[in-house]
Amino acid sequence: GAGVSQTPSNKVTEKGKYVELRCDPISGHTALYWYRQSLGQGPEFLIYFQGTGAADDSGLPNDRFFAVRPEGSVSTLKIQRTERGDSAMYLCASSDSSGNTIYFGEGSWLTVV
Amino acid sequence: GIQVEQSPPDLILQEGANSTLRCNFSDSVNNLQWFHQNPWGQLINLFYIPSGTKQNGRLSATTVATERYSLLYISSSQTTDSGVYFCAVHNNNDMRFGAGTRLTVKP
Repeated sequence: GAGVSQTPSNKVTEKGKYVELRCDPISGHTALYWYRQSLGQGPEFLIYFQGTGAADDSGLPNDRFFAVRPEGSVSTLKIQRTERGDSAMYLCASSDSSGNTIYFGEGSWLTVV
Repeated sequence: GIQVEQSPPDLILQEGANSTLRCNFSDSVNNLQWFHQNPWGQLINLFYIPSGTKQNGRLSATTVATERYSLLYISSSQTTDSGVYFCAVHNNNDMRFGAGTRLTVKP
């Protein structure tokens, strides 16, 4: 597609529920990133994919968070047993193989009540 | 990891004024980008500028890699320039963001 697409744009869920957030990167981009942004702060790195594999998942806060990219294109960020502290905007970005310029989607706002 | 500091944290301008935003980083980096986050949360890529100077309309940026800082200049500011400006640096995969500068341009 023309840009990075994220769905849903907004998600309200109850504490303890499971959530999936989807990212569709720019066509042909091999690198895909997930970030989390809380109010008043800069985006915080979660995980980076190069192709299908997670090249760096050091930013995932705990084992409730998991992300996949099975065919090297669309990625899904999965959060188990959600907590109120997980409420944030989750941003996805992609770049070509050079990694020089990274393009962000519009984000998915997650609210855990 | 690399530390990124941005200043000032907040900036209020009258429409038409000029401004300079600063980004300091703690280590050598291969890549540096400036982003503008609009009120709806969208991060818009302004510049990819690991070194040197670039200009795009009323915006320009300069990175002095040897001294580990970058500057973003906004001239003749407009109300639509309001939002948060982020500097982000990365080596390889891990892009680190500063806390941002919140710019408010008043009419």
